[in-house]
Amino acid sequence: DIVMTQSPDSLAVSLGERATINCKSSQSLFYTSDKKNYLVWYQQKPGQPPKLLISWASIRESGVPDRFIGSGSGTDFTLTITSLQAEDVAVYYCEQYFSLPYTFGQGTNLEI
Amino acid sequence: EIQLMQSGGALVQPGGSLRLSCAASGLIVSSSYMTWVRQAPGKGLEWVSLLYSEGNTKYADSVKGRFIISRDTSSNTLYLEMSSLRAEDTAVYYCARESVYGGWAAGATDWGQGTVVTVSS
Repeated sequence: DIVMTQSPDSLAVSLGERATINCKSSQSLFYTSDKKNYLVWYQQKPGQPPKLLISWASIRESGVPDRFIGSGSGTDFTLTITSLQAEDVAVYYCEQYFSLPYTFGQGTNLEI
Repeated sequence: EIQLMQSGGALVQPGGSLRLSCAASGLIVSSSYMTWVRQAPGKGLEWVSLLYSEGNTKYADSVKGRFIISRDTSSNTLYLEMSSLRAEDTAVYYCARESVYGGWAAGATDWGQGTVVTVSS
């Protein structure tokens, strides 16, 4: 199974400042035939189901604010929130779709 | 608007069985890739099972042989039949619809509200 490791486990950032969450996979998530990274990012607020933020490592879902930026390739990925807003307080998860079983990172708890 | 309405969660004894339901509106379950994801209390997310539109199924090793994912076309509902339940199956269970790319699931875009399964004597 592909192991997904996020860092840090917890992060406190001031309003308006940048938040950076890292996700590392135990093997490459880059599929050479279509040149895509099979990595997504979710946001989960307390008591709610996860919400898909970013697909293919860097493509924002419709309606996701442009302060959320996904980057990286291969085994190392980053979710950056460029200017933290109060409503961004949540746990963030990466998940790989490169191979079954799909696996999640352990989550990063983002606080103000 | 897509809605996934979940039901069926309960307190069940170890070794018992339970069926979770996920009634869909705004999408056709039989034409979609549907998945179950669970979250143990205070823990992270764990993928459980996937049902392809073609009918093929996949399971996490932790539930293989004990859980069965299925669907009912007439009611547009997804199910998760759980048997031989263990304490470690205690979790909130979410159903979700996966986006699809080239025959491959590629991110869960629509989620149910979750249903709580507690396995305890």
